[in-house]
Amino acid sequence: AQKITQTQPGMFVQEKEAVTLDCTYDTSDPSYGLFWYKQPSSGEMIFLIYQGSYDQQNATEGRYSLNFQKARKSANLVISASQLGDSAMYFCAMTTEGNEKLTFGTGTRLTIIP
Amino acid sequence: EPEVTQTPSHQVTQMGQEVILRCVPISNHLYFYWYRQILGQKVEFLVSFYNNEISEKSEIFDDQFSVERPDGSNFTLKIRSTKLEDSAMYFCASSENDSNEQFFGPGTRLTVL
Repeated sequence: AQKITQTQPGMFVQEKEAVTLDCTYDTSDPSYGLFWYKQPSSGEMIFLIYQGSYDQQNATEGRYSLNFQKARKSANLVISASQLGDSAMYFCAMTTEGNEKLTFGTGTRLTIIP
Repeated sequence: EPEVTQTPSHQVTQMGQEVILRCVPISNHLYFYWYRQILGQKVEFLVSFYNNEISEKSEIFDDQFSVERPDGSNFTLKIRSTKLEDSAMYFCASSENDSNEQFFGPGTRLTVL
């Protein structure tokens, strides 16, 4: 069974600073995918970024990048130049080969301070 | 940009009543999912659906729950006899295949009184 751990329940970051949200995962399956979703106060789940276990390079999407360290089983989300609109809950999640359900972590509530 | 839609956005029901939550996945997607999120908690998987049948379900998805794809576009979640603990946000999601990102709908907030 797979498991996602997010150890930061809440973070406060000054606007324009970079922020790293931690995520570690556990699975015995060699093939898996790692995802980050953003949940603003309005409640919807917004897909941010994806990293496959066999991808050689870290995924990037605009201001979002995923710091994938396979040996440490970590998939931290880095947001560069944070903006007030980045304030939200952030969930790390994973799927494994042949098991398409997303397993989510408990989330990190990020608050950007002006 | 295509998106997953869900109706209603908010449903209030009495305990013991049946509810049907509706979803329209993205049109070329083949995999469909329901998740729920109890207030303040993490998102939990309920069921996945592919090729007109359930491909996986969690222990939460007991006999009170059922899913259906009644036509080419809708994907529904039925709760036969709601309980207080069914109060949650219910998300529908869809994906092109079983390894691509899943796109979520805006959710239906179900309140059971």
